[in-house]
Amino acid sequence: GAVVSQHPSRVICKSGTSVKIECRSLDFQATTMFWYRQFPKQSLMLMATSNEGSKATYEQGVEKDKFLINHASLTLSTLTVTSAHPEDSSFYICSAPAGNEKLFFGSGTQLSVL
Amino acid sequence: GESVGLHLPTLSVQEGDNSIINCAYSNSASDYFIWYKQESGKGPQFIIDIRSNMDKRQGQRVTVLLNKTVKHLSLQIAATQPGDSAVYFCAERATGNQFYFGTGTSLTVIP
Repeated sequence: GAVVSQHPSRVICKSGTSVKIECRSLDFQATTMFWYRQFPKQSLMLMATSNEGSKATYEQGVEKDKFLINHASLTLSTLTVTSAHPEDSSFYICSAPAGNEKLFFGSGTQLSVL
Repeated sequence: GESVGLHLPTLSVQEGDNSIINCAYSNSASDYFIWYKQESGKGPQFIIDIRSNMDKRQGQRVTVLLNKTVKHLSLQIAATQPGDSAVYFCAERATGNQFYFGTGTSLTVIP
């Protein structure tokens, strides 16, 4: 199947710093990518839809100034967690639809904020 | 909608038995559904999909059933193996092309 690469896989940062997570579609172009957040033993929560060349669409309750999304090319979307705090610690996963159908996921980023 | 904040139900099956994992979805306008398998610390892995104009689809050792009347999906795994132990999620595609996930089920296969 299609490959979505996510980096880094794990990051530990101090409270107040910003963290950038990259999501790349390796063998297909993605005009849309999705960012999810997952807490332990819970489901995936859709945070936002990343749109190439335009602003991201955020789900209700997700702070757009906190979670900055940039989709500068057809193969790359980035999520920046700004001024991270311990409550932002979570597993963040990106995904992209291949051929506008099947949704493929990155391997996820475990963020730990101290 | 999404099932956020709910803890995972669990299912234990004996190796070699068949497993049935259920999922209730929320939006009657959803037109496409996917089952995913997620192992600890990894991203979800695509298993099988089904469009809303179908009620059954079969893959290798897996079958997905869709009941639109009651907004219910099921995933059947034949001859369950220890490697099938994971968390399974269904995802529905909403009218805006976003995918929303169900609660998930943690499957444990007993050797």
